[in-house]
Amino acid sequence: DTGVSQDPRHKITKRGQNVTFRCDPISEHNRLYWYRQTLGQGPEFLTYFQNEAQLEKSRLLSDRFSAERPKGSFSTLEIQRTEQGDSAMYLCASRAYTQYFGPGTRLTVL
Amino acid sequence: KNQVEQSPQSLIILEGKNCTLQCNYTVSPFSNLRWYKQDTGRGPVSLTIMTFSENTKSNGRYTATLDADTKQSSLHITASQLSDSASYICVVSPFGTDKLIFGTGTRLQVFP
Repeated sequence: DTGVSQDPRHKITKRGQNVTFRCDPISEHNRLYWYRQTLGQGPEFLTYFQNEAQLEKSRLLSDRFSAERPKGSFSTLEIQRTEQGDSAMYLCASRAYTQYFGPGTRLTVL
Repeated sequence: KNQVEQSPQSLIILEGKNCTLQCNYTVSPFSNLRWYKQDTGRGPVSLTIMTFSENTKSNGRYTATLDADTKQSSLHITASQLSDSASYICVVSPFGTDKLIFGTGTRLQVFP
C-alpha cells in the first residue's frame, strides 16, 4: 500500500454512460497525476495538478474527459459519453520526490 | 517510435537465477531515470531512481545502471524469487517537465 487510494477499483459501464473516478493522494503531496494504461503498455500521462491548479493536459485528454482537484486534496476524473476505446486502467499518482501510484481503477466499457 | 524502448518484452527464468532487463531511451535532456515494478492489476511501485549523473543504484536484490552517453539503462535482479514475477517498467523524466515517459515494460515470470 503506497498511501494513494483510488475508488472504485473496477467499473463496468455501457457505452455512452458517464463515469467518475476518485483519487485520494498522500496528504502532504501537493502534486497529483492521472495516467491511463492499456493492456501490455506502459502508463500514458493524462494530466497533473499542483494543489488545485491543473497545470498540464495531454492531447490524450479529449473534451469528454475532465479532471478536478477542488481544495487541492482529492481529485476526480470524469469521462462523459464513454466509448469502448476508453477501456483501460486509470492510475493516479501523487508526488514528493518520486511518484507514488495508487492501485488504479479498471474501466470496462461494453 | 516510443521514446523509451525495453527488451526483452517478456522473460521466463527459474527461481534463484539472475536476470538483466534493458532500457534504451531517446529522451534528452533528462533529469532522472526510474525503474518501477508493477504487479498484475496493481499500480507501479518505484524500485530505483537515478539522476543523469549517477551510474548505478541498488535496492536490495535490484541493481540499476545508467550510461547517459549511450542512453541505456539496465535492471539486474539477483537470486530471483517467485514474488519477482511482475512487469518492470523503465521511466524517463525529461528535463524541465514534470511528465514521466514510460516504456512498455518487460514481463518477468519466475518459475520454481
